[in-house]
This record gives sequence, structure tokens and C-alpha cells, in this order.
Amino acid sequence: GEDVEQSLFLSVREGDSSVINCTYTDSSSTYLYWYKQEPGAGLQLLTYIFSNMDMKQDQRLTVLLNKKDKHLSLRIADTQTGDSAIYFCAALGYGGATNKLIFGTGTLLAVQP
Amino acid sequence: ETGVTQSPTHLIKTRGQQVTLRCSSQSGHNTVSWYQQALGQGPQFIFQYYREEENGRGNFPPRFSGLQFPNYSSELNVNALELDDSALYLCASSPLGGYTYFGPGTRLTVT
Repeated sequence: GEDVEQSLFLSVREGDSSVINCTYTDSSSTYLYWYKQEPGAGLQLLTYIFSNMDMKQDQRLTVLLNKKDKHLSLRIADTQTGDSAIYFCAALGYGGATNKLIFGTGTLLAVQP
Repeated sequence: ETGVTQSPTHLIKTRGQQVTLRCSSQSGHNTVSWYQQALGQGPQFIFQYYREEENGRGNFPPRFSGLQFPNYSSELNVNALELDDSALYLCASSPLGGYTYFGPGTRLTVT
């Protein structure tokens, strides 16, 4: 079945770059998303990439997609303490529900001052 | 701001009771989905409504049901609450095939 996997924890120093990795199983996923969740809050859409793209850059965020390996990464440049949160990778799945998102378990990013 | 609102923010219920959670979507977003996020987990898809009809369901029992109204509001109903139903319930709306925006969630605690 459809599955999305992420590493559980990443710790970086303020000002360094962070790279959060994700793998997915459904090769038919056309959209891949990154969401941010702060404590006690809902999900904030950070960025997305279409499956026919290799890379997308949006200010401090860079998304890389390797379709062959079904591997997605999110790079955050110049990481700040305000970036501390849980980051979820999500793949758009099909099968009766056009907008069904399959989420990973989330990566906790801890930014040390 | 995503334009998706949910109520209430927090709710405490007793096992066996019934609960209704509410969501108001962005104008023009004709698709609404509900997700359950247990502590320490990623959100799990419950079901989706498009033009007031359910058009997709995840691995959740029939005691989870929903409604979507013409004014872009929706409800999630859960009957016969169980302790494992304690979670953050997220409403998400989108135009068909477009980006999915989430509300802040309702934290449900079942005791």
C-alpha cells in the first residue's frame, strides 16, 4: 500500500542548513508536499513539488525530488530558532479520493542557538 | 491564515458518547477532508466530501461520519467514542485537485 517514511529527529545549529529526508512508495503521486506543525497548532503548507520537477526553490526552502528512488528532501538554508517544529512530508494519493494525502510520521527539527 | 476554521478548539468526552466537530472552509473550496492525528503520529485520512457527497474514505469504521453543506461548512460526527479516538482532528479544504489547506484542529480527549 501507500507509505511515506521520514527520519524522526534532526538537530542543527542556528545559521546552519537543515536537510529533512522523505521516501514514498506510490510512484503515481503527482504532488508532494511539505507541511510544518508547531506545538499545539495545525499544519502549515510550506511548499510543494510536482512529480515532473527535479527541484523547486522558494526563498530559504529548496525541495529536491528523485523520482527514480522515490526520495524527497527539504533543505532549509540559514536555519533559525523559529524553524523548530515538526515537518511532515505528504504524497497525494489516488483511489477514489482526489485529494487524499498520505503523511509520514514527521521529523522533529530542533534548532540550537 | 489558511481561511479554514474549526470549532471547538478543545473537547473532553466520555467513552460511549457522541461528538460533532465543525469546520468552515474557504469560499470556493468544494472539497473538504478530515484527518485524525494521534499523538506523535502523522495525520491519517478519515474521509473526503466533494459537492456534499462522500467520495473517499480511509480505514475508519462507520461510526465516523460526516456532512458537507452548500455554504462550505462541514461536520465530523463520531459515535460510541472509544479511548483511542483521543486525537487532534484536522479539517482540510481545497479546490478540486489543488493545494490542501488545513485548519488549526480540534483536540478531542476521551476519558
